[in-house]
Amino acid sequence: AQSVSQHNHHVILSEAASLELGCNYSYGGTVNLFWYVQYPGQHLQLLLKYFSGDPLVKGIKGFEAEFIKSKFSFNLRKPSVQWSDTAEYFCAVNAPFFGNEKLTFGTGTRLTIIP
Amino acid sequence: DADVTQTPRNRITKTGKRIMLECSQTKGHDRMYWYRQDPGLGLRLIYYSFDVKDINKGEISDGYSVSRQAQAKFSLSLESAIPNQTALYFCATSDFDGITDTQYFGPGTRLTVL
Repeated sequence: AQSVSQHNHHVILSEAASLELGCNYSYGGTVNLFWYVQYPGQHLQLLLKYFSGDPLVKGIKGFEAEFIKSKFSFNLRKPSVQWSDTAEYFCAVNAPFFGNEKLTFGTGTRLTIIP
Repeated sequence: DADVTQTPRNRITKTGKRIMLECSQTKGHDRMYWYRQDPGLGLRLIYYSFDVKDINKGEISDGYSVSRQAQAKFSLSLESAIPNQTALYFCATSDFDGITDTQYFGPGTRLTVL
């Protein structure tokens, strides 16, 4: 079974700081990787996803993530955060090619941006 | 995402009551899911359905049941609600193309069991 670890539970940054949120997964086969964002009081929205090809994936709102297969990692980055990026961020993985379409989520990282 | 709707959005109930949460989608997806979200635990899968005739238990199905009335509708029931079922419940849909499967979430239902 796959699992996802997000080691940063709460990150506090000032506006314009650079962001990197960690995500590590455990699964031996080919995986699909996702980052979702949940703004306060709202539902989960897809930020970006990786299926294959270029390991550097660009998403909405200036976010990007890099898939490093050797490290089983899919870290989320943004060069300059804004107050509006305050939200909870979830990394998730599934492996549909191997018949495991169920999405496994990490426990989330709460990001607080200080104006 | 307005394509996935959940009703009610908020519900307060008492221990022992039967509760039904409803989910509807206009995305035309075959696959639907129910999750619960608890602080510090992320999202955990309760039940999922890959088509109208297919229902599967997720990792935390005890105390819950589901009904897939149509491709567009997937309901979650708590037969006898208990306080530790207080949580935020999300419905999701996805469309598996043989290689990739991306889930899209509804707005959530906040359930409080007293």
